[in-house]
Amino acid sequence: QSALTQPRSVSGSPGQSVTISCTGTSSSVGGYKYVSWYQQHPGEAPKLMIYDVSKRPSGVPDRFSGSKSGITASLTISGLQGEDEADYYCCSYAGDYTWVFGGGTKVTVL
Amino acid sequence: QVQLVQSGAEVKKPGASVKVSCKASGYTFTNYVIHWVRQAPGQRLEWMGWINGGVGNIRHSQQFQGRVTISGDTSASTAYMELRSLRSEDTAVYYCVGESEYYFHFWGQGTLVTVSS
Repeated sequence: QSALTQPRSVSGSPGQSVTISCTGTSSSVGGYKYVSWYQQHPGEAPKLMIYDVSKRPSGVPDRFSGSKSGITASLTISGLQGEDEADYYCCSYAGDYTWVFGGGTKVTVL
Repeated sequence: QVQLVQSGAEVKKPGASVKVSCKASGYTFTNYVIHWVRQAPGQRLEWMGWINGGVGNIRHSQQFQGRVTISGDTSASTAYMELRSLRSEDTAVYYCVGESEYYFHFWGQGTLVTVSS
């Protein structure tokens, strides 16, 4: 399974919006509704931010939203805040009880 | 409160094996699938495989076929990941993760495995 494709980095000023793309194939992102997003601060374990493409777990701010079109999923952070500076990874179910992660995107708050 | 507590850091020589444990608490072990995910320094997350604590089904990523064994002890609420024939590229933090309906909900604290001669 090839990794999902994410931009290496995105940046924005406080209060702005940033969007991270995650491109897979018809056998991963395009074939299932099971795309999830994880936030990882340095030295910490990843944290679930979005699941089932667009659902937020309890406790995740509504500034975080997810969507999908075809083989590309997206994570949007609206009203960017300093604590949002982190690495973000997308993940997709890839069929046959296998999963695949993206390469990760570093979000920088300017 | 669901918790996954992993064993401590390991240093191994090339060619050796390592076995990492992941003890679950706060829920019934057989109710969740436990996955293993690793992250080399500065690199992306890599999915390694899973074990269904309830029925004992196991699946390994093809990338690690033949080198990894995922197992579980229901009586101890513990999952294990053994990686053999270690090489320097296997230096990474290894995480166990509890799955909820196709997403990774509960993460262990991670175990650093260093492979060095």
